[in-house]
Amino acid sequence: KAGVTQTPRYLIKTRGQQVTLSCSPISGHRSVSWYQQTPGQGLQFLFEYFSETQRNKGNFPGRFSGRQFSNSRSEMNVSTLELGDSALYLCASSQRRTSGYNEQFFGPGTRLTVL
Amino acid sequence: EDQVTQSPEALRLQEGESSSLNCSYTVSGLRGLFWYRQDPGKGPEFLFTLYSAGEEKEKERLKATLTKKESFLHITAPKPEDSATYLCAVQAGNYGQNFVFGPGTRLSVLP
Repeated sequence: KAGVTQTPRYLIKTRGQQVTLSCSPISGHRSVSWYQQTPGQGLQFLFEYFSETQRNKGNFPGRFSGRQFSNSRSEMNVSTLELGDSALYLCASSQRRTSGYNEQFFGPGTRLTVL
Repeated sequence: EDQVTQSPEALRLQEGESSSLNCSYTVSGLRGLFWYRQDPGKGPEFLFTLYSAGEEKEKERLKATLTKKESFLHITAPKPEDSATYLCAVQAGNYGQNFVFGPGTRLSVLP
């Protein structure tokens, strides 16, 4: 079974621009979560999508947004980029059982550099 | 406030020198505790899920254990290829499907 895929793997943007990142979950997984990872803050939760609806959101400004399509693929968008947005953006997919735990499986990430 | 801490921050071992990594958590309604391994520039790789106190899971040279307040990742006779950052995460009742991650332990195994 193919793993989580993310495109592009690397991006270089300048301040003020916007960027869109894409994630394809593991086949059969309908939940997609996005995380930002930086050396100073570690892994921080951005938001989760399930059945094309945002289910949970972390403490990030409104410049960070996302969406999910009917095939469970997801995109996240960052508008008006700031230098501090430089990070590894990770996508994780899970089955989202309604009880018990849910393992999340991560993609390789998109390395975003803002100049 | 729910928190996950990990210690030590960094650990250097000689090949074959066994040790343990610690993950301490204070969360409400723990649904699961997860260990991941992350190599530089890559996404975290899933290792173990632990759900209830007393539970143990093993995989090759790694063994994870869970108590009511902490988890340990024991590494027996490590090899240089075990060098990576080991992340602990919890899924708690207050957070839906997202995880709260600890800062990680950076492990270096020297030949």
